[in-house]
Amino acid sequence: KNEVEQSPQNLTAQEGEFITINCSYSVGISALHWLQQHPGGGIVSLFMLSSGKKKHGRLIATINIQEKHSSLHITASHPRDSAVYICAVHKTSGSRLTFGEGTQLTVNP
Amino acid sequence: DAGVIQSPRHEVTEMGQEVTLRCKPISGHNSLFWYRQTMMRGLELLIYFNNNVPIDDSGMPEDRFSAKMPNASFSTLKIQPSEPRDSAVYFCASSLVGQGVEFFGPGTRLTVL
Repeated sequence: KNEVEQSPQNLTAQEGEFITINCSYSVGISALHWLQQHPGGGIVSLFMLSSGKKKHGRLIATINIQEKHSSLHITASHPRDSAVYICAVHKTSGSRLTFGEGTQLTVNP
Repeated sequence: DAGVIQSPRHEVTEMGQEVTLRCKPISGHNSLFWYRQTMMRGLELLIYFNNNVPIDDSGMPEDRFSAKMPNASFSTLKIQPSEPRDSAVYFCASSLVGQGVEFFGPGTRLTVL
């Protein structure tokens, strides 16, 4: 079983829809990251969370440490949001990132 | 700031050849990470350095892979000899130790024929 699991694996939405991507993990962590990988391949760090909620533009990330769960929300989705969204955690025992398998999001106009 | 710089961006080589991938981290960053991404396995950490010292190389697949960081501004990942199953995108990332946020380079797409 993967230590970091994401759902769904694939998500297709219409422009304007509210989108939620989920991440569950089974290990102790010091922080959780949400990364975005565009079709061209570049990877961008969106958020780093250790508690609560963070917001950046139309993106919101939340984390529940007790439930070992995080969500990434996109409000008013747009075709340019189409990308792979990757959840990754820093385990408390070290600083390496452990990655989920990613969620492929496609937003249609 | 130029961000993390990787070279080459694309590399096509024949099985058995030596391949060297290069990375220049963001100036001032003292952690450097090498990742590999494939369709089958997703993103995998190969090795990371803190202050030029290798900390965890448990992700290095086998002895054909080696990584060095001779100074704070340069690292190499070498594959010798290369095999078709090494075909992947190799990312380098850097950060400040303890800060947690990693900045990724554009990646090197390696194809081994």
